[in-house]
Amino acid sequence: GENVEQHPSTLSVQEGDSAVIKCTYSDSASNYFPWYKQELGKGPQLIIDIRSNVGEKKDQRIAVTLNKTAKHFSLHITETQPEDSAVYFCAARSPNQGGKLIFGQGTELSVKP
Amino acid sequence: DAGVIQSPRHEVTEMGQEVTLRCKPISGHDYLFWYRQTMMRGLELLIYFNNNVPIDDSGMPEDRFSAKMPNASFSTLKIQPSEPRDSAVYFCASSPTDRGFNQPQHFGDGTRLSIL
Repeated sequence: GENVEQHPSTLSVQEGDSAVIKCTYSDSASNYFPWYKQELGKGPQLIIDIRSNVGEKKDQRIAVTLNKTAKHFSLHITETQPEDSAVYFCAARSPNQGGKLIFGQGTELSVKP
Repeated sequence: DAGVIQSPRHEVTEMGQEVTLRCKPISGHDYLFWYRQTMMRGLELLIYFNNNVPIDDSGMPEDRFSAKMPNASFSTLKIQPSEPRDSAVYFCASSPTDRGFNQPQHFGDGTRLSIL
């Protein structure tokens, strides 16, 4: 079945710097890749997603890139702010696994003012 | 619009007791998912429903866990008897239908369960 690896597990940046989180997946049939942000005491919230027919998607300070050949996708946050501090999860969904999302292990991002 | 609503937000109970977690999905969503989150294992899918029918329960840890969805607006996850290793945060999520399943899942804020 699908397996998703996420790196790094922790990331500390200075306010205003960029942050990059990377994920790899194993099932070449996977075609949907969402990113979630989880704040303390809250459920994961979708921040951006990308489908396999697109190589890049941007929403203000957040962008996601997808390399289907290499089976990896990345989250880029520019001009980081302290409120970006949270745990970020990548996920992948394959038609071979029905409606399931397979999540990475999470990255704890800390933005220092 | 109301999001996914879970209750209770916190539950503390003694080992051996029955625990019932509740979820109200977003109106109009016909997929419902139950997840468990722990530091050791991350986010694990336990079971999911489509149109109130369980589709995949392969993530349910053992027979002590059961889930039901009696109607489109309500689901329960029960643990009986509960054990300390069941302590975790349990999330419910829902999503609308799509032929390719490529619709975002929306999560509730979870139930933090502690079994003493």
